[in-house]
Amino acid sequence: SYVLTQPPSVSVAPGKTARITCGGNNIETRSVHWYQQKPDQAPVVVIYYDRDRASGIPDRFSGSNSGNTATLTITRVEAGDEADYFCQVWDATTDHYFFGYGTKLTVL
Amino acid sequence: QVQLVQSGAEVKKPGSSVKVSCKASGGNFNTFIVNWVRQAPGQGLEWMGRLIPVLDLANYTQSFQGRAAFTADKSTATFYMELRNLRSEDSAVYFCAGPTLAPIFFGLWGQGSRITVSS
Repeated sequence: SYVLTQPPSVSVAPGKTARITCGGNNIETRSVHWYQQKPDQAPVVVIYYDRDRASGIPDRFSGSNSGNTATLTITRVEAGDEADYFCQVWDATTDHYFFGYGTKLTVL
Repeated sequence: QVQLVQSGAEVKKPGSSVKVSCKASGGNFNTFIVNWVRQAPGQGLEWMGRLIPVLDLANYTQSFQGRAAFTADKSTATFYMELRNLRSEDSAVYFCAGPTLAPIFFGLWGQGSRITVSS
């Protein structure tokens, strides 16, 4: 099992920058993917392979991965960005997929 | 591009079984790898396992081994997830999901099927 640790919540004012972290043992050796999930909807991938933006995702969304922490950064936050965000990795040893517990982004 | 449409919400009794469907349209059904992910109320995402139809191969996590079964009906381009011996803790939204650009993340999701287990 591979544990991914996310803060339960992050709050940010509109127009500011939100950073959502995803901690894991030596996570920089793995590819990290990020999903956005709004209430009663399916998750949508926003960032894949650490830093590649999915189709249709604004360039306000970016990702990075270093050491034991991957980070999803959202600049110029808008009310529509309010959602739960999950990180995910694939473990080659077990051929299993692991998700973080999720971070609720609140736009103040 | 494959699109996934899932079956609707169901209420089940403890000890019974449920079979969730996930119909694929567009794309190549035979090469699609379908994963099943569940989300308990207010909780995170949990990968249950996957089915590779072209290999007729199903993998399950330890939590679901022996209690879940993933199948596919090629004639209707539909995937199925059956969960047996339901308990209250199985109440959740179940998603089918699959890869698009690469096999290690899920670019495509069904809308989810809410299963409630209650006596």
